[in-house]
Amino acid sequence: NAGVTQTPKFQVLKTGQSMTLQCAQDMNHEYMSWYRQDPGMGLRLIHYSVGAGITDQGEVPNGYNVSRSTTEDFPLRLLSAAPSQTSVYFCASSYRQARLMGMNTEAFFGQGTRLTVV
Amino acid sequence: SQQGEEDPQALSIQEGENATMNCSYKTSINNLQWYRQNSGRGLVHLILIRSNEREKHSGRLRVTLDTSKKSSSLLITASRAADTASYFCATAPMNTGFQKLVFGTGTRLLVSP
Repeated sequence: NAGVTQTPKFQVLKTGQSMTLQCAQDMNHEYMSWYRQDPGMGLRLIHYSVGAGITDQGEVPNGYNVSRSTTEDFPLRLLSAAPSQTSVYFCASSYRQARLMGMNTEAFFGQGTRLTVV
Repeated sequence: SQQGEEDPQALSIQEGENATMNCSYKTSINNLQWYRQNSGRGLVHLILIRSNEREKHSGRLRVTLDTSKKSSSLLITASRAADTASYFCATAPMNTGFQKLVFGTGTRLLVSP
């Protein structure tokens, strides 16, 4: 059971380049999210999805796009990389707990992608 | 920013001692969770406490929640060198959806042998 898999682990981009960070989970989780982690800032939510075909913006969505065509995959696209997007990116997934309970469940995280934009 | 704050930012103790870290948050919540992050790795879930609970235990971990003060604490008893990591609280805000966890800024714990 691989859990949440992110690729690549490291990436260096030049300003203006585009790229896609891949995230895949094999736990049949409905919920998936992307966070960025910067020193002293904790994790900030970029985009999230509550199921295939449904995505929404988080706290810091500008400069990023997402799509969710399958339950398993949730890629994050950087449209035109900027130095301000230098960060560590984490993908997370979780179950949607019983609808009657309406409570969140624990999130499972990938190992992260360390991105540097020069 | 919606982020919570954690206190202290860094904590250095000896093996066998207890470690206490605190988390404050800003909005009403469904639940609060604690995660551990080893250097260069992803986050690992430790414990979840619901808004109607006041205290929860899991092994050497004890979590308290005071919703009137919008604060939580994580106590690690009898610390080990392997507990060295960063610890983050994360809240699931009320009425904002179930996948919008808001993370604190983290506490870096160093446990020396």
